[in-house]
Amino acid sequence: QKEVEQNSGPLSVPEGAIASLNCTYSDRGSQSFFWYRQYSGKSPELIMSIYSNGDKEDGRFTAQLNKASQYVSLLIRDSQPSDSATYLCAVRGRNTGKLIFGQGTTLQVKP
Amino acid sequence: GAVVSQHPSRVICKSGTSVKIECRSLDFQATTMFWYRQFPKQSLMLMATSNEGSKATYEQGVEKDKFLINHASLTLSTLTVTSAHPEDSSFYICSAGDSPYEQYFGPGTRLTVT
Repeated sequence: QKEVEQNSGPLSVPEGAIASLNCTYSDRGSQSFFWYRQYSGKSPELIMSIYSNGDKEDGRFTAQLNKASQYVSLLIRDSQPSDSATYLCAVRGRNTGKLIFGQGTTLQVKP
Repeated sequence: GAVVSQHPSRVICKSGTSVKIECRSLDFQATTMFWYRQFPKQSLMLMATSNEGSKATYEQGVEKDKFLINHASLTLSTLTVTSAHPEDSSFYICSAGDSPYEQYFGPGTRLTVT
């Protein structure tokens, strides 16, 4: 089992729809969770961090964390073509402080 | 968020030569920086943790004598790829954070070894 798992996609949604990206992790003691967006040929950009169970909203983005289910998700409302990118889920290791990345989910928003 | 820069953004070198990549934290001090490598259509793989004033910690399978890391100041870490070969061609990215919780990535360095 991979430490951080994501569906590689591609996930295709029409413009204006809600895109839902999911991530599961194996280390139950993990405390910090992050979503990065990566455009082709560019480095990742931090878009959301979440540390507590529940929802965290920032503009069109909502991160959801369920530690009991070891599950973290990212919702993008009113999806735009400019949201088309690969979204990387990252989990901070319990003791090391290192980020462990999932393989990323490619999102395509079609006009 | 914190700003991290890298130089150069692109480099092409001949097989057998060495290449140095710089990572700088521009508006904060970073006692720890991280170096990643990313091959096409793959996720980021952590290579090593760079610690200011001490030796870097390398991940399993990463050759420390091939990928030399120097973190001589609180704002600068360097990665030197020694005796580069075509299989070392990749996208190298560093990260750092101004808090214990969040990491920000530099823009990356695309290395091509011919």
